Amino acid sequence: NAGVTQTPKFQVLKTGQSMTLQCAQDMNHNSMYWYRQDPGMGLRLIYYSASEGTTDKGEVPNGYNVSRLNKREFSLRLESAAPSQTSVYFCASIIGLAGGRTGELFFGEGSRLTVL
Amino acid sequence: AQSVTQLDSHVSVSEGTPVLLRCNYSSSYSPSLFWYVQHPNKGLQLLLKYTSAATLVKGINGFEAEFKKSETSFHLTKPSAHMSDAAEYFCVVSDPPTTSGTYKYIFGTGTRLKVLA
Repeated sequence: NAGVTQTPKFQVLKTGQSMTLQCAQDMNHNSMYWYRQDPGMGLRLIYYSASEGTTDKGEVPNGYNVSRLNKREFSLRLESAAPSQTSVYFCASIIGLAGGRTGELFFGEGSRLTVL
Repeated sequence: AQSVTQLDSHVSVSEGTPVLLRCNYSSSYSPSLFWYVQHPNKGLQLLLKYTSAATLVKGINGFEAEFKKSETSFHLTKPSAHMSDAAEYFCVVSDPPTTSGTYKYIFGTGTRLKVLA
């Protein structure tokens, strides 16, 4: 059982280049998330998706786009990378609990992106 | 929106002594609360969660946390620190459901725990 899988694990880009971070989960979860982690700032939500075909902005969406391709996959795209986007990116998913209570996030191992 | 404050950015303890990592939250409803641990260059692992059941929650590796609504706190404790506990710890609170029916999770800025031999 792979859980949440992110690719690539490491990437170096030049300013202005584009790239897509891929995320797939095999737990049949409905909701998926993209976070970025920067020192001293915890994890900040970039975008999330409640279900296939829906996406919503989080706390720091500028400079990013997302696609919820199907229930399993949720990709994050940087159209024109900037040094400020140097970060570690985490994909996560959740399963809901009965009675509307929230479950815990399941995380991928992260993708370390450096923009020169 | 909810928020969460981790009161200490760094905590140092000696091996074998108790650990206390403090977390306060603000919420306009009854949230779910979580603690995650991240070892260096690793992903995030769930330590424990509170989802409106028992207020004293036991997690993995001997950690526990107590939900105190009157104090809006969810502090993480462990009776005796081990060298392997050295890591960064994140307190997380859930937002109320969005219009799309899912939940957003708000992270604290983290507490780095150092364990001294």
